[in-house]
Amino acid sequence: GENVEQHPSTLSVQEGDSAVIKCTYSDSASNYFPWYKQELGKRPQLIIDIRSNVGEKKDQRIAVTLNKTAKHFSLHITETQPEDSAVYFCAASTNFGNEKLTFGTGTRLTIIP
Amino acid sequence: AAGVIQSPRHLIKEKRETATLKCYPIPRHDTVYWYQQGPGQDPQFLISFYEKMQSDKGSIPDRFSAQQFSDYHSELNMSSLELGDSALYFCASSLYPPGTGNSPLHFGNGTRLTVT
Repeated sequence: GENVEQHPSTLSVQEGDSAVIKCTYSDSASNYFPWYKQELGKRPQLIIDIRSNVGEKKDQRIAVTLNKTAKHFSLHITETQPEDSAVYFCAASTNFGNEKLTFGTGTRLTIIP
Repeated sequence: AAGVIQSPRHLIKEKRETATLKCYPIPRHDTVYWYQQGPGQDPQFLISFYEKMQSDKGSIPDRFSAQQFSDYHSELNMSSLELGDSALYFCASSLYPPGTGNSPLHFGNGTRLTVT
């Protein structure tokens, strides 16, 4: 089955700086890679996703890059704000997302004002 | 917009008791997924349903069972509860059948189960 590794487990960034979270996956059949933001005790919320036919996707301050050859993908948050503080999970699945997700272990991001 | 509804939000049970968690998907979504998230852990896939039939199974203990009803809501039944079952249980729904579409998962707010 799929195995997703995520680094770092914790990340502290000064407000206004950029944050980068990296994930690797094992199953070459995976073709959908979403990122979820989860605040304490709340549901995971999809913030951005990328499919294997695309190398990069950007939505305002958030971008995701995918390297299929190396089987890794990264989340980039620029101009970080205090409200970006949360746990971020990467995930992978096959069939372009409409299948079970295998999550990474999460990154606790703290933005220092 | 309507979201995935889960009930109850919080549930406290004692060891060896049973619990039933309910999930009402977004209207017109007929695919439902259940995930379990332990404290400080990532969500783990338990089971999924499409059109009232089980479509996939993950790390769901034999003590747990689930089903999807004719109105597409789903229930997760948990018996002989153990302390380790304490977790957040999320339900997610999807518009398209598994493996066919371009449909991100929409998670409900979860049920926090505490087993004492």
